[in-house]
Amino acid sequence: DIQMTQSPSSLSASVGDRVTITCRASQSVSTYLNWYQQKPGKAPKLLIYAASSLQSGVPSRFSGSGSGTDFTLSISSLQPEDFATYFCHQSYSTPFTFGPGTKVHIK
Amino acid sequence: QVELQQSGPGLVKASQTLSLSCAISGDSVSGNSVTWNWIRQSPSRGLEWLGRTYYRSKWFYDYAVSVKSRITFDPDTSMNQFSLHLNSVTPEDTAIYYCVRVGPRGSGSFDIWGQGTMVTVSS
Repeated sequence: DIQMTQSPSSLSASVGDRVTITCRASQSVSTYLNWYQQKPGKAPKLLIYAASSLQSGVPSRFSGSGSGTDFTLSISSLQPEDFATYFCHQSYSTPFTFGPGTKVHIK
Repeated sequence: QVELQQSGPGLVKASQTLSLSCAISGDSVSGNSVTWNWIRQSPSRGLEWLGRTYYRSKWFYDYAVSVKSRITFDPDTSMNQFSLHLNSVTPEDTAIYYCVRVGPRGSGSFDIWGQGTMVTVSS
């Protein structure tokens, strides 16, 4: 199975800050890497697919980059509605696996 | 737009079978460019993919090794839905269960999620 790790596990930031979250795969997943946002009591929501493509309806302050084993999710200017938990997910091979999540707190 | 509506009990006794259904609107369970998945989430296991079913001239099923001996998916074209059956449950199967679509884009991303069902297994 491909193991996914994320760093940091949590972070505190202020509105307007630039935030970067890192995801690493235990082996290459090419660009089969996706990012999700989850708010309490809700299902995860797709933000970025194929490492860097923005899902329809997602604000352009979200961006993704990377390929192979190392990936990044960036939020250019954090908004109040962005405080949530973010997960990466590899869709390269079954079993599909997720990172443990990064919780973004209000500073 | 595509929506998934889950139904099923929130409480199951240990050793019994957990059964959930996912009704699809705006897409077809037998669509030839999508797959239909079940994912669960718990504090101890995080997000865990349980498996998928899809139709490519015939039905295919892929199950996670961790549940392979206990799980079946049941697509129903007449009702346009798919179901999860997990037998011999234990308290470790307590989790939020989601039905999820992988869309036609080809990236394998989970683009449509059901609302989630919190299932508690009582011992």
